[in-house]
Amino acid sequence: GAVVSQHPSRVICKSGTSVKIECRSLDFQATTMFWYRQFPKQSLMLMATSNEGSKATYEQGVEKDKFLINHASLTLSTLTVTSAHPEDSSFYICSVVAANYEQYFGPGTRLTVT
Amino acid sequence: AQKVTQAQTEISVVEKEDVTLDCVYETRDTTYYLFWYKQPPSGELVFLIRRNSFDEQNEISGRYSWNFQKSTSSFNFTITASQVVDSAVYFCALSERRYGGSQGNLIFGKGTKLSVKP
Repeated sequence: GAVVSQHPSRVICKSGTSVKIECRSLDFQATTMFWYRQFPKQSLMLMATSNEGSKATYEQGVEKDKFLINHASLTLSTLTVTSAHPEDSSFYICSVVAANYEQYFGPGTRLTVT
Repeated sequence: AQKVTQAQTEISVVEKEDVTLDCVYETRDTTYYLFWYKQPPSGELVFLIRRNSFDEQNEISGRYSWNFQKSTSSFNFTITASQVVDSAVYFCALSERRYGGSQGNLIFGKGTKLSVKP
């Protein structure tokens, strides 16, 4: 069964609103989670590294004030897209590295901003 | 800098044909991991293989096989006797191998869209 879940799987929101995406590690604790973004017909690009109990590390070009990441527990990381715009429409995927060094991906969240 | 190149953007084959997806990588790390993932239209990534840079042995799993050659920095993926269900986008990826064997974030290639026609 799935070891990483994401909620919601799909979300449509209006421009200017905020959207929160959850990434849960179901079977193990994870001190580190990764957030990726995939635009249509493109590859996955790392947005940020989420560290439990500390601030997230963002990749160059990713606005930390727009994409708020909170890794409040060892099983949950959240990504909040603030003041969303149509260009933020994308497929957001999280991944978790388990203690056995395997990396597990969530099923992804498809965000559409109208 | 790390980089993964999948030169083939799209490949179309007829069912039962063999097909090879190419992957070339660049890294300054002496130890690293290489991966292949399948992404069907649903979007969920399906893990296919992880290869440690220490291990250059080729691997076969059913109709799938992988050819890892450090000398040419390549990690090619072959599907034998392709089937319609193999149609998907396939990503090759690279990550650093951290202390203790853990993985860093993945650097993905641009993907190869494989269409298998009946």
